[in-house]
Amino acid sequence: SQQGEEDPQALSIQEGENATMNCSYKTSINNLQWYRQNSGRGLVHLILIRSNEREKHSGRLRVTLDTSKKSSSLLITASRAADTASYFCATDSGSGYALNFGKGTSLLVTP
Amino acid sequence: GAGVSQSPRYKVAKRGQDVALRCDPISGHVSLFWYQQALGQGPEFLTYFQNEAQLDKSGLPSDRFFAERPEGSVSTLKIQRTQQEDSAVYLCASSTGTGSPQHFGDGTRLSIL
Repeated sequence: SQQGEEDPQALSIQEGENATMNCSYKTSINNLQWYRQNSGRGLVHLILIRSNEREKHSGRLRVTLDTSKKSSSLLITASRAADTASYFCATDSGSGYALNFGKGTSLLVTP
Repeated sequence: GAGVSQSPRYKVAKRGQDVALRCDPISGHVSLFWYQQALGQGPEFLTYFQNEAQLDKSGLPSDRFFAERPEGSVSTLKIQRTQQEDSAVYLCASSTGTGSPQHFGDGTRLSIL
């Protein structure tokens, strides 16, 4: 079963614009992670935010977490064509180790 | 190697055949996970190892699926008597421990004819 739900399912923007993706989840978590997946490849870890954190930055990435609303957002600033990929949020709720993924947001960045 | 390595990258099998998928985790990573990813979906958890111990196999779809990690490093996912619904990408991931980021291989794309 899929724990998280990303929104939107698909997003198309131009290079230089910002991209925002949202994730909602259902049960309490220890942490929430964002991963990127290029077509035909495995997932690449982007950022991890713990349940007691509200915001985290890594390069052009900014992640927020609102545990009261059970939601998170991923902001990619100044997007590049190379950012084109699917983005997944994942929570470790329940087991504390197995990740529960949503269906992902497909991001297309055009030059 | 530097990352998680999976082989083969692609596997085509006839319905009813047995298949074995291999995962070489990052050296020293204690935790190893297998996930199944259907087309257009996120990965779904199959099973978890801590060293050689299989601590959770609750995600395995049926008793046709079997995973092992006998020496606490390389892992094999075996599917017996394959069915068409087994067609998917099988991803392996490893990490230093629970609560740490997971590092994924590129997966094995399994097609059952």
